[in-house]
Amino acid sequence: GEDVEQSLFLSVREGDSSVINCTYTDSSSTYLYWYKQEPGAGLQLLTYIFSNMDMKQDQRLTVLLNKKDKHLSLRIADTQTGDSAIYFCAESMSNQGGKLIFGQGTELSVKP
Amino acid sequence: ETGVTQSPTHLIKTRGQQVTLRCSSQSGHNTVSWYQQALGQGPQFIFQYYREEENGRGNFPPRFSGLQFPNYSSELNVNALELDDSALYLCASSGGTSGREGEQFFGPGTRLTVL
Repeated sequence: GEDVEQSLFLSVREGDSSVINCTYTDSSSTYLYWYKQEPGAGLQLLTYIFSNMDMKQDQRLTVLLNKKDKHLSLRIADTQTGDSAIYFCAESMSNQGGKLIFGQGTELSVKP
Repeated sequence: ETGVTQSPTHLIKTRGQQVTLRCSSQSGHNTVSWYQQALGQGPQFIFQYYREEENGRGNFPPRFSGLQFPNYSSELNVNALELDDSALYLCASSGGTSGREGEQFFGPGTRLTVL
């Protein structure tokens, strides 16, 4: 079935790297996405990775994809207090019009 | 280029009532998807509209219905409201020129409280 799983909480110190992990189920997903949600706000698209890639870097963000294990991770370098938010991974269902299946979100807390 | 907008921002209704939520898609996008996000959960797909036709539906009962207009804006209607319908309702638009399947841009959401 369709299921995306994430750990619920992560706490880091300012300046450290953060790694948020996600597992997904649909091996036919074409794109996988990371979204950020700040309190009381909608979802902000952070980055994406195409399923035939294994890594993508975008400034402080690095996405790693292990397609064999259906494991996705988001690394944030030099984490800042402004990075505190909930992070969602999502897989795009290629046979269902690109509908997104989201994980339950990882709450990242950055301590000064 | 304007982003996705939703109205109203907040809404309080009572059980059994009906509600209509509105969404304006991002300029250049022809597809609108609606999601329900309960407190502490990830968004759950309700349905998607493409060029005024429903194009996929999640596991939601028929009392959740929608419309898309010729300008690609959209409405979500919920009849016979239940307490469990209390959630943040997110609208997302897509279909721009990037060609990335599933790349969706979200509005700020409507917070619905059912008493």
